[in-house]
Amino acid sequence: DIVMTQSPDSLAVSLGERATINCKSSQSVLYNSNNKNYLAWYQQKPGQPPKLLISWASTRKSGVPDRFSGSGSGTDFTLTISSLQAEDVAVYYCQQYYFTPYTFGQGTKLEVK
Amino acid sequence: EVQLVESGGVVVHPGGSLRLSCAASGFTFDDYAMYWVRQAPGKGLEWVSLINWDGNSTYYAESVKGRFTISRDNSKNSLYLQMNSLRTEDTAFYYCAKADCSSTSCYLDYWGQGTLVTVSS
Repeated sequence: DIVMTQSPDSLAVSLGERATINCKSSQSVLYNSNNKNYLAWYQQKPGQPPKLLISWASTRKSGVPDRFSGSGSGTDFTLTISSLQAEDVAVYYCQQYYFTPYTFGQGTKLEVK
Repeated sequence: EVQLVESGGVVVHPGGSLRLSCAASGFTFDDYAMYWVRQAPGKGLEWVSLINWDGNSTYYAESVKGRFTISRDNSKNSLYLQMNSLRTEDTAFYYCAKADCSSTSCYLDYWGQGTLVTVSS
């Protein structure tokens, strides 16, 4: 199985500041034939189901604010929130959908400092 | 608007069985693969199972293989998860999720609200 490891486990950032969450996969999720990384980011607010933020490592879902961005390739990925808003408090998960089982990272809890 | 509504979560004894359902609307159901993902209370997400658009291909996490069966009825826009030989460690919220493609290697673009399965004696 591909193991997804996020860092840090928790993060406190001041409003308006940048938040960065990392995700590392135990093997590459880049498919060379189409040059796509099979990596998604989800946001889960308290008491709610997860919501898709980003697919293919860097493609924002329609309607997701542009302060959210994804980057990386191969085994190392990053979710960046450029200017933290109060409504961004949540747990964030990365997921690889390259090989079954489509494993998730353990989650990163983002709070306001 | 895409809607996924799970049902069927209850309290069940270890060794028991349960069938979860997910009613889908707002999209052409038989164009897309569907997933079940679970989350133990206070814990992270665990991918459980995947079924392709026509139901002919299914995939399972090792933790549920041989005990759970995913199925779909495209005429009813419904997804199911038959859960047998339940264990206490199966206690979780079970989410139905829509894939963004018809088969494998898809991300999950919409999720239901979840249904809670509690396995306890």
